[in-house]
Amino acid sequence: GQNIDQPTEMTATEGAIVQINCTYQTSGFNGLFWYQQHAGEAPTFLSYNVLDGLEEKGRFSSFLSRSKGYSYLLLKELQMKDSASYLCAESGGSYIPTFGRGTSLIVHP
Amino acid sequence: DADVTQTPRNRITKTGKRIMLECSQTKGHDRMYWYRQDPGLGLRLIYYSFDVKDINKGEISDGYSVSRQAQAKFSLSLESAIPNQTALYFCATAPDRSTGELFFGEGSRLTVL
Repeated sequence: GQNIDQPTEMTATEGAIVQINCTYQTSGFNGLFWYQQHAGEAPTFLSYNVLDGLEEKGRFSSFLSRSKGYSYLLLKELQMKDSASYLCAESGGSYIPTFGRGTSLIVHP
Repeated sequence: DADVTQTPRNRITKTGKRIMLECSQTKGHDRMYWYRQDPGLGLRLIYYSFDVKDINKGEISDGYSVSRQAQAKFSLSLESAIPNQTALYFCATAPDRSTGELFFGEGSRLTVL
């Protein structure tokens, strides 16, 4: 997605906290999604934000600022199994999700 | 069994061949999508359908066509495959426009030689 920007790769240590940022530009906004995708597998839904603020779901939290076109995914107490790609997707005026290029997270011991 | 099923899961073919990727779902969703995924490029939308009589082009529809045979079935065709269509293809469904959360199939890996 040319209108969605997220880092290509991040590394972190097991047990730590990591924040993956996403910025977007859109003429109509109907929500911001985060998906997790392990290598060779299908993306799976993590979170959805349509209002400003923080949504917490277990070890994962997602934040949205609509005025800034900005979101982040926060992963706490990192585990090795969290090594995956994290996809930011914005649902525009027609409710069709547009995806960023994904952030590859590598968690090391 | 998966709620969104894609066949075939893997296919190797030659340039110029016609290929069909099939997607069926048991979720009862109206909306269905075809995306392709290439390394470093993320997921890009090929076609989407909001109901049986609705077909829409996505970002990269050239070289592809689709058919929505029923609410549960959405097929993607490559009339004459070329090597740059080598990719991982995902079918996805969505229940309604209130959130737009997508439910993905397991993917179809296509290699065009």
